[in-house]
This record gives sequence, C-alpha cells and structure tokens, in this order.
Amino acid sequence: KAGVTQTPRYLIKTRGQQVTLSCSPISGHRSVSWYQQTPGQGLQFLFEYFSETQRNKGNFPGRFSGRQFSNSRSEMNVSTLELGDSALYLCASSSGTGRNDGAETQYFGPGTRLLVL
Amino acid sequence: ILNVEQSPQSLHVQEGDSTNFTCSFPSSNFYALHWYRWETAKSPEALFVMTLNGDEKKKGRISATLNTKEGYSYLYIKGSQPEDSATYLCAFSVTGGYNKLIFGAGTRLAVHP
Repeated sequence: KAGVTQTPRYLIKTRGQQVTLSCSPISGHRSVSWYQQTPGQGLQFLFEYFSETQRNKGNFPGRFSGRQFSNSRSEMNVSTLELGDSALYLCASSSGTGRNDGAETQYFGPGTRLLVL
Repeated sequence: ILNVEQSPQSLHVQEGDSTNFTCSFPSSNFYALHWYRWETAKSPEALFVMTLNGDEKKKGRISATLNTKEGYSYLYIKGSQPEDSATYLCAFSVTGGYNKLIFGAGTRLAVHP
C-alpha cells in the first residue's frame, strides 16, 4: 500500500498570504489528523476529519481550517499568514473504524515545511 | 491542561549500551499511549500502541511498558545500534478524544559507534 502523501513538501509564503496544504491518506483510511511542529515545540494537534466531518479541533485560531473530501483526501488552509506559522505540518491517517478511535495506529506523511517571510 | 513529559530530553550512548526513556502523562480519562520513532528527514514511525495497565509490547530490541494508574510508560532499547539514533516520541489519547494525540517533546537519542 502506498503511504500517506503530502503536497507540497516545501512552501515559502509572505505574511498576510494564505496557503493550502494537501494530504492523501493510505487507501481505505477514513480518518485524517493534522499536526503542527514549530522549533522547540512538540507536535501540536490541529484537527481531525472523519467521513468529511471535523471530529476534533486543537487550540488554534480560526485562521486554521480544514476539510475532507469524499475520497478521504484532506486539505488544511491557513489564512492571513503570520511569521509564527512557519512550521512543519504533518498529517496522519488511520483506518477510522470507529471502534477503537484513539488506540488506532496513525501513519504519518513526510510533512509540508512552510516558511513565512 | 493535558501535558506529556518525556525524559531525558536527549541521550548519548555507545553502541551496544542498553537505554530507557520515560513518558509521564495524566492518568485521568486515559485511553491509549503511543510511541513513535522519528528519524531526521523521515516521517514519524509508529512503534507501539498500548491501552491496558501492565501492557508490555516488544519489537525486536525495543520494548515498552505501561502503568496507567500512575501515568507513566517506559521505552527500552537493548543493545543500541547507530541506526536507533532518532527522536522517540510518546503521545496519549483520552476517552472521547477520537484520534487526537497529545505529544511529548521527545527524547533525542544518539548512538555512537
């Protein structure tokens, strides 16, 4: 099976712009979660999507949003970029059977590294 | 506030040494504990998922234990090899939190030949 893919891998934007990142989960996986890693910080949970619905959201401002499509692919959008949004953005997919959420293995993509100038 | 503490922050060992790391987490509403290995320029790789108090998991030279009552997990590496050099992350999920993982800052391991 192909792994989780993320595009683009690298991105440079300027303050005030917006950006859209894409994540394709492992085939058959229905849950996609997004995480942010900034220098000196651990991975911070952004949100999780399951069957096109956001099931959980982390403590991030409304500038961070996401969505999931019927094929389980997910996008996250950051509007009005700030310097502090420079980070590695990782997505992870899991099967999302609904029987064992929280204890399912999550498979991570390679990440998108965003630099805001 | 839900917080995960990992210690030590970093560790340098010689090839062949055995080592262990600690992960502390809040025991209330605990659902599962995850361990990941994250090598530079790669994706985090899942090692173990544990849910029950007393759980022990093993994968080759790496093993992990879980104590949900006191809120800690240990990761052990026996006979460290240079290819074990990576950051080891633990994360936990809570009941009703779906797949939201709360991560610690990680333990960075360097194994010297």
